[in-house]
Amino acid sequence: AQSVAQPEDQVNVAEGNPLTVKCTYSVSGNPYLFWYVQYPNRGLQFLLKYITGDNLVKGSYGFEAEFNKSQTSFHLKKPSALVSDSALYFCAVRDVTNAGKSTFGDGTTLTVKP
Amino acid sequence: EAQVTQNPRYLITVTGKKLTVTCSQNMNHEYMSWYRQDPGLGLRQIYYSMNVEVTDKGDVPEGYKVSRKEKRNFPLILESPSPNQTSLYFCASSLSPTYEQYFGPGTRLTVT
Repeated sequence: AQSVAQPEDQVNVAEGNPLTVKCTYSVSGNPYLFWYVQYPNRGLQFLLKYITGDNLVKGSYGFEAEFNKSQTSFHLKKPSALVSDSALYFCAVRDVTNAGKSTFGDGTTLTVKP
Repeated sequence: EAQVTQNPRYLITVTGKKLTVTCSQNMNHEYMSWYRQDPGLGLRQIYYSMNVEVTDKGDVPEGYKVSRKEKRNFPLILESPSPNQTSLYFCASSLSPTYEQYFGPGTRLTVT
């Protein structure tokens, strides 16, 4: 069975500081990995994905993530946080061998303080 | 505008009264999926569809039915809703499983 862990329910950072939201995964085959963001009372919006190729992927709004196969991690990062980045962030995984099934983490609430 | 639409957005119903939540996408996407979101549990996949007439169970399919008779529509059916199905439901679609999913605005369902 596949799974995703987001070990931190809440991450707090000051505006202008770098931020990291952690994600680890478990699949039996190779992973497709995604990050989504949810603003209050809204649906989820896609940020970035790793399918294959370069381990460092860049996405929307200045976010990036690094795929680390040995540590089975896909942490989300941003060099300089904005107050407007405050939201709920979800990591998701699909297994290449059963790509229809999509598993999300429990989510991490990011709060960026001025 | 490319979008996924869901109706209704809000629904309060009683135990046992059959209901359908509609989902439609205008992007010609092959893949569609339903999720429920509960506090502290993230999103859990209910059912997904790889194409017309092809559906499969996600992690929490009990108490739900789906159908995919047309590419654009993927309704979620609760034939006998129970209070533990009170939740926020999202429909999503993508071109294929390797592409990102586009999410609808959500349907907040309360079963009393």
